[in-house]
Amino acid sequence: GAVVSQHPSWVICKSGTSVKIECRSLDFQATTMFWYRQFPKQSLMLMATSNEGSKATYEQGVEKDKFLINHASLTLSTLTVTSAHPEDSSFYICSARARTGEDSPLHFGNGTRLTVT
Amino acid sequence: GESVGLHLPTLSVQEGDNSIINCAYSNSASDYFIWYKQESGKGPQFIIDIRSNMDKRQGQRVTVLLNKTVKHLSLQIAATQPGDSAVYFCAENMRRLTFGEGTQLTVNP
Repeated sequence: GAVVSQHPSWVICKSGTSVKIECRSLDFQATTMFWYRQFPKQSLMLMATSNEGSKATYEQGVEKDKFLINHASLTLSTLTVTSAHPEDSSFYICSARARTGEDSPLHFGNGTRLTVT
Repeated sequence: GESVGLHLPTLSVQEGDNSIINCAYSNSASDYFIWYKQESGKGPQFIIDIRSNMDKRQGQRVTVLLNKTVKHLSLQIAATQPGDSAVYFCAENMRRLTFGEGTQLTVNP
């Protein structure tokens, strides 16, 4: 089946530093990837849509200058949390579709637990 | 805005029983729905999907029912096992995937 891999699985950083999270589609190409954030005991909230070769589309309320997304190839999207603060501590999850068409499921990575101290 | 929500936040069942997890959606134009299972510390795992031109779809030990009249979706798990313990999300797929709040399923041995 379709596999999406995220790295790192967890990271602890100090307030004010930046953290980069990688999302790779291992056995398929993805022109579009999606980044979600999940706080404890809550649902997944879409942050942005990452488009290969073009700018990401951010959801309302998500600061594009704080959450930098780069989708430089058909198998890799990165999310960089810039100048991280404790309130950015969360579980970040990426996803992609293995085939085109909105009536196909998203496949998710195993997430990255970010803790900002 | 449109949303997808769940009726119950928690569900506890005995091993071997059948489980039913419910979901209500509000966007009548939705035409594709997915159920995901999320174990602690992991990303959501695809379980089963259904398109709006169907009212029932079966997988291995799971069945999804769709009632478009009342905008209701359910996931039935047969012979629930301890490994089924997780949070279950329904999701509505229209341009973007919107998740419901999730139901924590606990299977008691």
